[in-house]
Amino acid sequence: DSGVTQTPKHLITATGQRVTLRCSPRSGDLSVYWYQQSLDQGLQFLIHYYNGEERAKGNILERFSAQQFPDLHSELNLSSLELGDSALYFCASSLEIRNEQFFGPGTRLTVL
Amino acid sequence: GQNIDQPTEMTATEGAIVQINCTYQTSGFNGLFWYQQHAGEAPTFLSYNVLDGLEEKGRFSSFLSRSKGYSYLLLKELQMKDSASYLCAVPQAGSQGNLIFGKGTKLSVKP
Repeated sequence: DSGVTQTPKHLITATGQRVTLRCSPRSGDLSVYWYQQSLDQGLQFLIHYYNGEERAKGNILERFSAQQFPDLHSELNLSSLELGDSALYFCASSLEIRNEQFFGPGTRLTVL
Repeated sequence: GQNIDQPTEMTATEGAIVQINCTYQTSGFNGLFWYQQHAGEAPTFLSYNVLDGLEEKGRFSSFLSRSKGYSYLLLKELQMKDSASYLCAVPQAGSQGNLIFGKGTKLSVKP
């Protein structure tokens, strides 16, 4: 158990819908990273927050957005969902930038 | 740009030793990470190398050569539970720590 929690564990929804994935980092960690993992692409970095501020964006679509709240939990919002958005979504946390990252159990999103 | 290459799959026998190679290209080096990922589960941190040489941690060791852009993960006394994907990752150049991952090496340990 890494200490990072993610909910929900599984999510099945339809194309065009909007979902919210939630992540709580390890106690004391200030950085939260979101990654997407699909079968053909491997783990892809989406976005990074540090202590409530957005620090970096990766291959994140405009239909996706995220935020980190004052209690340091983070939410990833995915809208206008497409079949290709089906993937495992992981969040990871670290104490400081460039420390090792600890991954949550992931949310498996299936878009039908 | 940055690129990471790893073999796609490897097979080894229980009790044996296996070496998983990783080559990388990056404009600014800030260390290299190895993660283990069982199917459908979260990646778990194995090692971090920032200086050249071998770092040993129990049955797992990781080696880095910065001049060659090369790392390997060495697994000794293989166990069935070591069947997993092994991911090599480097921080994105100029980044705030976000990682660029290789596609992973799927290791199958046979009895």
